[in-house]
Amino acid sequence: GENVEQHPSTLSVQEGDSAVIKCTYSDSASNYFPWYKQELGKRPQLIIDIRSNVGEKKDQRIAVTLNKTAKHFSLHITETQPEDSAVYFCAASRDRTGANSKLTFGKGITLSVRP
Amino acid sequence: NAGVTQTPKFQVLKTGQSMTLQCAQDMNHEYMSWYRQDPGMGLRLIHYSVGAGITDQGEVPNGYNVSRSTTEDFPLRLLSAAPSQTSVYFCASSPATGAYGYTFGSGTRLTVV
Repeated sequence: GENVEQHPSTLSVQEGDSAVIKCTYSDSASNYFPWYKQELGKRPQLIIDIRSNVGEKKDQRIAVTLNKTAKHFSLHITETQPEDSAVYFCAASRDRTGANSKLTFGKGITLSVRP
Repeated sequence: NAGVTQTPKFQVLKTGQSMTLQCAQDMNHEYMSWYRQDPGMGLRLIHYSVGAGITDQGEVPNGYNVSRSTTEDFPLRLLSAAPSQTSVYFCASSPATGAYGYTFGSGTRLTVV
């Protein structure tokens, strides 16, 4: 089955700096790579996703890049703000919807943004 | 449109007791799943269903049962609770097609003493 690894487990940045979180996956059949943000005591919320036919996707201050050959993908947050402090999970599946949408998650990274 | 609704939000069980965690969605999603979240372990898949009447095991199915008699509901049953099942449980659903993937419920925090 799929194995998603996420390193490091914690990341601390100064407010205004950029943060990069990296993940690797093992199943070459995976085609869908979402990122979730989870604030303390809340449910995971989808913040951005990318499909394997796209190398990069941006949404305001966040972006995701995918290197399918190397089987890794990264989340980039620019101009970090204290409200970006949360746990971030990467995940992978064969499809975004339907029978092949079973997601395998990484273990999560705790991002702390220092004011 | 309530999305994915989980009940209860909190539960304390004694070892050996049984209970059912409820999950319901009103988005006509075909795919539903249960995850458990433990510190440092991320979200691990317990069971999932690709449609009414169809269920399958995930990564950590032992000690849990599921059924899917309707599209809307996907309950998770703990037959004989153990302290190792202390965790936060999330239900999620996704449609057969479309632009959006998983929607998570708000979670159930379960403590087994």
